[in-house]
Amino acid sequence: DIVMTQSPDSLTVSLGERATINCKSSQSVLYSYDNKNYLAWYQKKPGQPPKVLIYWASTRESGVPDRFSGSGSGTDFTLTISRLQAEDVAVYYCQQYYNTPLTFGGGTKVEIK
Amino acid sequence: QVQLQESGPGLVNPSETLSLTCTVSGGSLNSNYWNWIRQPPGKGLEWIGYIYRSGSTSYNPALKSRVTLSLDTSKNQFSLKLSSVTAADTAVYYCATDSGSGNFHKWFDPWGQGTLVTVSS
Repeated sequence: DIVMTQSPDSLTVSLGERATINCKSSQSVLYSYDNKNYLAWYQKKPGQPPKVLIYWASTRESGVPDRFSGSGSGTDFTLTISRLQAEDVAVYYCQQYYNTPLTFGGGTKVEIK
Repeated sequence: QVQLQESGPGLVNPSETLSLTCTVSGGSLNSNYWNWIRQPPGKGLEWIGYIYRSGSTSYNPALKSRVTLSLDTSKNQFSLKLSSVTAADTAVYYCATDSGSGNFHKWFDPWGQGTLVTVSS
């Protein structure tokens, strides 16, 4: 199984400041045949299903604000919220879809300072 | 646009079988992977398994011995059965699709709203 490890577990950031969340996979999720990283980022708010923000590690989903960006390759990935807004308070998860079992990171809770 | 909606009992007795159905609207079961994912209270997300349009399945090894997924294309529904449940199976259960094909998956999108299932006598 590919184990996804997120850090930190929680993050407190001032409005307008940058939030950075890390995700590390226990093996590479980069497929050599298409040179794509099989990694997605989700935002989870209470009472709502997760919402995909980023896929292929760095492609922003349609409608997602451009303050959200994803980077990284192979085993190390980052989700950055460049200017934190109040509506960004949520738990963020990374997920690999490279192979089964499909696995999620443990989540990072983002709060406002 | 594909929409998913979970349905089923919100309370299940310990040792019995949890049964949920996901109804798909705006799309067909003849494409995509159809997944179940759960989130215990205060914990993270756990993939349970998928059923493919062909009827083939893949389960999380941690749950494999207790999980059965099935498709009903006539009703545009897919279902989850989880046997011998305990309090540890209390969770919000989500159905979700990924538009992968062959042996390749994609991200989960869209998701159902989720349904809370409590295991208690």
